[in-house]
Amino acid sequence: SYVLTQPPSVSVAPGKTARITCGGNNIGSKSVHWYQQKPGQAPVLVIYYDSDRPSGIPERFSGSNSGNTATLTISRVEAGDEADYYCQVWDSSSDHVIFGGGTKLTVL
Amino acid sequence: QVQLVESGGGVVQPGGSLRLSCAASGFTFSDYGMHWVRQAPGKGLEWVTFIRYDGSNKYYADSVKGRFTISRDNSKNTLYLQMNSLRAEDTAVYYCAKAMGATWAFNIWGQGTMVTVSS
Repeated sequence: SYVLTQPPSVSVAPGKTARITCGGNNIGSKSVHWYQQKPGQAPVLVIYYDSDRPSGIPERFSGSNSGNTATLTISRVEAGDEADYYCQVWDSSSDHVIFGGGTKLTVL
Repeated sequence: QVQLVESGGGVVQPGGSLRLSCAASGFTFSDYGMHWVRQAPGKGLEWVTFIRYDGSNKYYADSVKGRFTISRDNSKNTLYLQMNSLRAEDTAVYYCAKAMGATWAFNIWGQGTMVTVSS
């Protein structure tokens, strides 16, 4: 079945740019969605269709997807961005939703 | 406001059964597909199952196929998850989530309900 690979952790200083990758075989041909989850809370959609932002999500959050890697980029990182981030796709060959393993973003 | 509220979680012995409910409000429930997603303690998100807006199509993760059944009652704005033959590895917080239009993104999530399978 389709597998999404994320780095377990990413660290970034406040004000800098964080990039969280999501690898998958020819993921560029799929639509990738990204979620933010803070401790004890439900996930929140931050990017859908590779690069679109739901209303209420800051412009600092952006996404891209090409080849075998999708990327969530968080610009001007703030302490409040510290959370787990998950990528997600729909795998039409198996009729399954697939989540990446998640990346813990630490703001130094 | 748009809201999903899960209920029905608890402690159950291995081999037992449990039915979760998810009450929807603030949107036209019958227009949207719905999902269940779970998260074991300290672990990542795992998709469980999906049901189309009219109940005509259902998909299941391999780990629950044949044991779990998703259903919905559009007249009551409620989503269900019937869980049978429960195992220790089914222990998790279970979230219901609303599909975002015709996409496979989840734009609304409930607060989750904890299911613990233990003797």
